[in-house]
Amino acid sequence: GQNIDQPTEMTATEGAIVQINCTYQTSGFNGLFWYQQHAGEAPTFLSYNVLDGLEEKGRFSSFLSRSKGYSYLLLKELQMKDSASYLCAVEDSNYQLIWGAGTKLIIKP
Amino acid sequence: TAGITQAPTSQILAAGRSMTLRCTQDMRHNAMYWYRQDLGLGLRLIHYSNTAGTTGKGEVPDGYSVSRANTDDFPLTLASAVPSQTSVYFCASSDGESSYNEQFFGPGTRLTVL
Repeated sequence: GQNIDQPTEMTATEGAIVQINCTYQTSGFNGLFWYQQHAGEAPTFLSYNVLDGLEEKGRFSSFLSRSKGYSYLLLKELQMKDSASYLCAVEDSNYQLIWGAGTKLIIKP
Repeated sequence: TAGITQAPTSQILAAGRSMTLRCTQDMRHNAMYWYRQDLGLGLRLIHYSNTAGTTGKGEVPDGYSVSRANTDDFPLTLASAVPSQTSVYFCASSDGESSYNEQFFGPGTRLTVL
């Protein structure tokens, strides 16, 4: 079957760095996405990885290792507004997105 | 630009009643999707449409139907609602022509079936 695993919840301190991990087992791989979802709102796109390595976009970076079925999202200089759920999704061989349950990130002052 | 709109924002529905959730996008995207999001579970695909006039079943299609008469609209119908269909429903779209399939989401419809 297809499976995306992420930690359910993480806590970090304002100004610090946090890494959210995602492991996946899917039928085929056409890319991995990270989305941010604030409580009560729609998911919004953060990053996309299709090749191994690190993609950096401002305070956010995303890493992919296809051989290990592993990705992480790195958030630097955490701000209170970063409190949200972070969703990992893999595009499978049918070009459909398979979603993880999301990681709720709590930022403390 | 409005992007994707959904209606209603929320609804309480008696079991056995029918209901249509509306979704409209103004980005001229080819592909559209309906997901449900339940606590502790990832987004689950109900139905999708790769282009106007075509639809396909996702992971959890039972009890739901869709139509795609034109590019902009993708309504989701519950023919006879059951309490297990209580969920938050998100409509999404993607242009299907980019190098990657970024999906844009509507604000969601919170549905409670009693």
